[in-house]
Amino acid sequence: AQKITQTQPGMFVQEKEAVTLDCTYDTSDQSYGLFWYKQPSSGEMIFLIYQGSYDEQNATEGRYSLNFQKARKSANLVISASQLGDSAMYFCAMREETSYDKVIFGPGTSLSVIP
Amino acid sequence: DTGVSQDPRHKITKRGQNVTFRCDPISEHNRLYWYRQTLGQGPEFLTYFQNEAQLEKSRLLSDRFSAERPKGSFSTLEIQRTEQGDSAMYLCASSFNRGEQFFGPGTRLTVL
Repeated sequence: AQKITQTQPGMFVQEKEAVTLDCTYDTSDQSYGLFWYKQPSSGEMIFLIYQGSYDEQNATEGRYSLNFQKARKSANLVISASQLGDSAMYFCAMREETSYDKVIFGPGTSLSVIP
Repeated sequence: DTGVSQDPRHKITKRGQNVTFRCDPISEHNRLYWYRQTLGQGPEFLTYFQNEAQLEKSRLLSDRFSAERPKGSFSTLEIQRTEQGDSAMYLCASSFNRGEQFFGPGTRLTVL
């Protein structure tokens, strides 16, 4: 069974608009962490934001925020005020404490920002 | 530059040859990870080290693959008797304990 599901293979958003990228996960661990990474066409993986399973507040980093709904096992990434440079692949990932902290990545969502 | 570095950035080899990749993590990071990424997919975990100890290996890591981190600093990933299915981007990442992982630029392997 897939641990991380990203149901949107491709998304488009108008420049300056907000966009939500979906992520659901599957775990029986009580302690886990959720990450979002950005991968531009150049290939490097760029860390964006982290949410711990025990964190009560949703994580925010500049224009990025993570909408964490623990009961629904979802961890959606919200990008506000989209910029052309946001066009990239976005990967949701999870680290489980019982799996020696290895990180499992989802299949990714391709985001294209339209001028 | 204090980021994660990988060498080489690109490698083209013939089927059956052995290849070795190197990863230099961020200097104060004690954990080092190897991932493989094929086109259109997310990275797949291969193995990871805490200092010089290899703590986990994915079942994706067949007996043709071996990784080392002899002094707890840089790491090497060797693939013996390469196959066309080994063609992928090999990514290295490092972290300090359970902190976020910082990735290197990757080594793109093409097996002809």
